[in-house]
Amino acid sequence: AQSVTQLDSQVPVFEEAPVELRCNYSSSVSVYLFWYVQYPNQGLQLLLKYLSGSTLVKGINGFEAEFNKSQTSFHVRKPSVHISDTAEYFCAVTRTSGSRLTFGEGTQLTVNP
Amino acid sequence: DTGVSQDPRHKITKRGQNVTFRCDPISEHNRLYWYRQTLGQGPEFLTYFQNEAQLEKSRLLSDRFSAERPKGSFSTLEIQRTEQGDSAMYLCASSPRTSGRALGANVLTFGAGSRLTVL
Repeated sequence: AQSVTQLDSQVPVFEEAPVELRCNYSSSVSVYLFWYVQYPNQGLQLLLKYLSGSTLVKGINGFEAEFNKSQTSFHVRKPSVHISDTAEYFCAVTRTSGSRLTFGEGTQLTVNP
Repeated sequence: DTGVSQDPRHKITKRGQNVTFRCDPISEHNRLYWYRQTLGQGPEFLTYFQNEAQLEKSRLLSDRFSAERPKGSFSTLEIQRTEQGDSAMYLCASSPRTSGRALGANVLTFGAGSRLTVL
């Protein structure tokens, strides 16, 4: 089975500061990795994904993430955040041969003026 | 294509009542998923369909829960004899079926969710 650990439940930052949200995963087989963002009272929106190829992937809203197989990590970063980035962020993993996503418990990013 | 639609968006019910949620996936997607999300937690997998076949069910899906996708298009999730612990957001998602490692495999598109409050 796969599992995901999001290392920070809350990340407060000031506007225009850089941010990194950390995600570690555990799996005995090959995986696909995802970050989803959830704004208040909304469903989940895909932020970025790693399926294959380059380990550095770019997503929406200026976010990027790096897949590190040796450290089993998939941290997401943004060099300069905006107030509008305030949301809950979820890391998720699935087997390359499977279908269901397993999610972490989420990281609440709060961007303060 | 309007994405994944869920109805109702909000449902308040009394303990012991039955509730039903509906999900309309993206039309060309043949996989459909149900997840449950409680406050402060990540979504938990409940079940998924490929076309009309229910291929996997989580142990979270007790006997009071039933999901159907009769014609391989929309799906319903019914909860019988609701309990206060059923209060949660119920999320539906869909994805295309692709073979091998084709890009787009396993990429789920989520609906806005149906929030259930059991009094």
